[in-house]
Amino acid sequence: GENVEQHPSTLSVQEGDSAVIKCTYSDSASNYFPWYKQELGKRPQLIIDIRSNVGEKKDQRIAVTLNKTAKHFSLHITETQPEDSAVYFCAASWRTGFQKLVFGTGTRLLVSP
Amino acid sequence: EPEVTQTPSHQVTQMGQEVILRCVPISNHLYFYWYRQILGQKVEFLVSFYNNEISEKSEIFDDQFSVERPDGSNFTLKIRSTKLEDSAMYFCASRAPGREVNQPQHFGDGTRLSIL
Repeated sequence: GENVEQHPSTLSVQEGDSAVIKCTYSDSASNYFPWYKQELGKRPQLIIDIRSNVGEKKDQRIAVTLNKTAKHFSLHITETQPEDSAVYFCAASWRTGFQKLVFGTGTRLLVSP
Repeated sequence: EPEVTQTPSHQVTQMGQEVILRCVPISNHLYFYWYRQILGQKVEFLVSFYNNEISEKSEIFDDQFSVERPDGSNFTLKIRSTKLEDSAMYFCASRAPGREVNQPQHFGDGTRLSIL
């Protein structure tokens, strides 16, 4: 079945450093890859997404890269700030069907001042 | 910005009782979803709903679960006879039309369900 692996499970960085979170997916038919940020007790919030027809997408300090051949995609956060501290989930979906999301196991990012 | 709203925010129920979780999706959205998240774990897909019927469900979504869109705005998840292992955060999500192009899913704040 569909599966998304996510690493690392926890990531601690100093403010101003970059953070990278990696995900791999099992189904080569996957074509949509969103990233969600979840603060404690809150909803998952979409922060960036990428479709399989592009290799990279940027939005200010965050970027996502996609390698379809290797079936992995990564979230890059530059110039990290304490408010970036949260759990980040990657997910994968498909164009066909009703586009359910299959989530990774999450990465707890801690940015220390 | 329009939001998905969920009620109640926290539901405490005795094991074996029925519970109904309510969601109001974003108004022009046509695809609706329920996910759950056990404390400290990943978000898991339960069911998707389109055109007044279930379009896909996971193995978690057994005969004790049902969904309904009783009117033009609400979308509900019912658990008929709750079990301890149903304790989790339940998220409703919705997305805009577009079967051929992936549209972002927007999540509600969730209902924390605690089974005693």
